[in-house]
Amino acid sequence: AQSVAQPEDQVNVAEGNPLTVKCTYSVSGNPYLFWYVQYPNRGLQFLLKYITGDNLVKGSYGFEAEFNKSQTSFHLKKPSALVSDSALYFCAVRSGGSQGNLIFGKGTKLSVKP
Amino acid sequence: EADIYQTPRYLVIGTGKKITLECSQTMGHDKMYWYQQDPGMELHLIHYSYGVNSTEKGDLSSESTVSRIRTEHFPLTLESARPSHTSQYLCASSEYHPVNEKLFFGSGTQLSVL
Repeated sequence: AQSVAQPEDQVNVAEGNPLTVKCTYSVSGNPYLFWYVQYPNRGLQFLLKYITGDNLVKGSYGFEAEFNKSQTSFHLKKPSALVSDSALYFCAVRSGGSQGNLIFGKGTKLSVKP
Repeated sequence: EADIYQTPRYLVIGTGKKITLECSQTMGHDKMYWYQQDPGMELHLIHYSYGVNSTEKGDLSSESTVSRIRTEHFPLTLESARPSHTSQYLCASSEYHPVNEKLFFGSGTQLSVL
């Protein structure tokens, strides 16, 4: 069965510091991995995805994520956090080669303080 | 900016009422979804559709029903609302592509059943 885990309910960072939001997954076969962001009172927005190729993928708003097959992880990162990055972040996974739907994690609330 | 629209944005109704949540997209996407999300919590897939006249139940059991008579329209109906239906409902769409399934989300409908 497919699953995705976001072990932290909340991550707090100071503006200008690097941030990491963690995600681990479990799928059969090759994973397709995604990050989405939800700003207050808004729908989710796509940030980035990993399908194949380079393990480091770059996305919107300066975010990037690193695929680590041995650790079955896909952590979201940003070198320098902004207050405007404060939002709810969701990791999602789907088994490659299947026609299944995305499975979303429970979300991690990122709070960036000035 | 995604061209997917949900109405109403907020809805407060009494128990036993029949309601329909509207979702429309102008991107010509074949696949559409309904997710249920409690505040700050994970998304649960309740219905999806591969295209016109296709509807499938998602991972979370729901008393709601959906229809897909037109590509752009995917309404969700609750025949008799109950307080347990209080939640946020998110509609999404995507191109039906086995590899590049990027979801576009609406802003959501916050439903409160009294």
